Amino acid sequence: GAGVSQSPSNKVTEKGKDVELRCDPISGHTALYWYRQSLGQGLEFLIYFQGNSAPDKSGLPSDRFSAERTGGSVSTLTIQRTQQEDSAVYLCASSLGGTGQMDGYTFGSGTRLTVV
Amino acid sequence: TQLLEQSPQFLSIQEGENLTVYCNSSSVFSSLQWYRQEPGEGPVLLVTVVTGGEVKKLKRLTFQFGDARKDSSLHITAAQPGDTGLYLCAGPGTLNYGGSQGNLIFGKGTKLSVKP
Repeated sequence: GAGVSQSPSNKVTEKGKDVELRCDPISGHTALYWYRQSLGQGLEFLIYFQGNSAPDKSGLPSDRFSAERTGGSVSTLTIQRTQQEDSAVYLCASSLGGTGQMDGYTFGSGTRLTVV
Repeated sequence: TQLLEQSPQFLSIQEGENLTVYCNSSSVFSSLQWYRQEPGEGPVLLVTVVTGGEVKKLKRLTFQFGDARKDSSLHITAAQPGDTGLYLCAGPGTLNYGGSQGNLIFGKGTKLSVKP
């Protein structure tokens, strides 16, 4: 597609349930990033995929969070046993190669997750 | 810890006024980027600055990278309601700071409101 597509746009879940968030990057972009944006906070880095390399998971806040990227394209972020503090907007971005630092990221519109 | 501090946190002005927002760090960055984020959307890249002392202009927006590459500013001339949004600066994370060379770190942003 023309841009980065994220689904669902909004998700309300009960505490303790698992959720899956999907990101479809721009075709041809080999780098994919997940960030979390909480009210009053900046964008918090979660995980980074670059081509076929092992992902950089250094930003994942706990082992309840995981992500995968299938076929170098679509990515899924999974949060298990959701907690109220997981409520945030989850943003996905892609960039051409690993050049996000120069060419910039293209972000999706995000998934607003609310844990009740 | 590698941080980008943005100021002011909030700014509310009337249409036609000029303004400057700042992005500061104690660390040297190889480049800095500015993004604008509107409600319900992901951030959109405005500019990348890479050379100390560099000045870039985008219509009524002027971006400057500090000589020491530790700070940047964004100046808006004759602000319009369409300039309303969250302005974020971002720079490459580095291994030395526990990040990845592939990801960007973001400041918390300046929330700008331009009233007609």
